Parts: sequence; structure tokens; C-alpha cells
Amino acid sequence: GAVVSQHPSWVICKSGTSVKIECRSLDFQATTMFWYRQFPKQSLMLMATSNEGSKATYEQGVEKDKFLINHASLTLSTLTVTSAHPEDSSFYICSATGGYNEQFFGPGTRLTVL
Amino acid sequence: KQEVTQIPAALSVPEGENLVLNCSFTDSAIYNLQWFRQDPGKGLTSLLLIQSSQREQTSGRLNASLDKSSGRSTLYIAASQPGDSATYLCAVRLSYGQNFVFGPGTRLSVLP
Repeated sequence: GAVVSQHPSWVICKSGTSVKIECRSLDFQATTMFWYRQFPKQSLMLMATSNEGSKATYEQGVEKDKFLINHASLTLSTLTVTSAHPEDSSFYICSATGGYNEQFFGPGTRLTVL
Repeated sequence: KQEVTQIPAALSVPEGENLVLNCSFTDSAIYNLQWFRQDPGKGLTSLLLIQSSQREQTSGRLNASLDKSSGRSTLYIAASQPGDSATYLCAVRLSYGQNFVFGPGTRLSVLP
């Protein structure tokens, strides 16, 4: 299957700082990427849908000014958590699709905000 | 709004048992359904993908069935092993290109 990578795999930051997470499709062009968040012992919840070259669509309750998403190319989408707070600590997972029946998931990024 | 539930929430079985995990979804007009495995602190491993036109898929000791009309899917694991211990997530997609809606998962422990 196709491969999606995420970087970094984990990050620890201080409260108030910004953190950027990258999601890359390594061997296919991803017209759409999705960002999910998973809190401990909970399931994945969709945060936003990102289409290449256009603004992301955010789910209800997700602050677009806090979680900045950029999908500037067909192989890269970034999620920037601005002014991170401890409650933003979570596991962030992206998925990508590009004309396949299947979506391919990245390995996830664990964010810890101190 | 599509909602996905999974029963049981947790399951503990002795090694060698056959077991069934259940998934239900409220909107039967799905595009496909996928079962994933997630180990603690890790990402998702895709197990089986069932298209809306299919009734089941098999891979090794795993068999997943889909009954769209009743909004149900089951994941059957034969001859369970301690290495099968993980959280199993069921997810559905309503249409091509859309996101997944995930169930809460079933946490499986297989005891040696």
C-alpha cells in the first residue's frame, strides 16, 4: 500500500509555543488529507479536511485560528498548533487519499505540552 | 450524522479462543468500512477493507463481514494469540474522498 509519513513522531513543547506537524504522502499524490486527533483512551475524531490548494474545512468545535492547516502541494500538508496549551496534548494522525478506494494513515505524532 | 459503536468495549480471552468483535453504524449508506488495529501509543494498522458492495473479506485468521442494511459489521478472529492484544477500531466512510468516522474501539487482551 501507499505510504504516509508524519514528522515529528513525538514532540514536547512549553505552553504558549507553536508546533508544526508535517504529513507527507511518499509515493502518491494526495489531493485530500485529513487530520484527526485522539485523546487518551478515546477514538479518533476528525479535526479538518485539507484539499490541495484550497482552505481547509474544519469540524465543529475545532478552532481554525489555533490549528492552522496548509496543504500547499500534492504531497505535503502541515498542521500548526499555535499557542499550545496542555489541553492540546494529544495524538495527531493524518490520512491521505488521491484517487484510491483506500485512505492511508500516517503513524501519528504525539504532542505533549508542558 | 453517522455514528459508529463497538461492542464489547473490552474483552479478555485465553489464548486459542475464537472471538467476534461487533461494529454498528447508524447510516447504512456507506462507501466502505475498514477495520484497524492500534497498539498502545502507536498509529493505525489496516486489517481489512470492505467495499459497500461486498459482504466479507478475509485475511489469514481474520474475517470481516458487512451487512449494510442492518448497519453491522463483525470482525472474527480465529485461534487468538497474545500478539493479537490491541485495540480494534471500526471505521466507515460515507462516500469516496470523505473522512472516516471511527468507533470507540474494542480493547482486546489475549492471555497466554
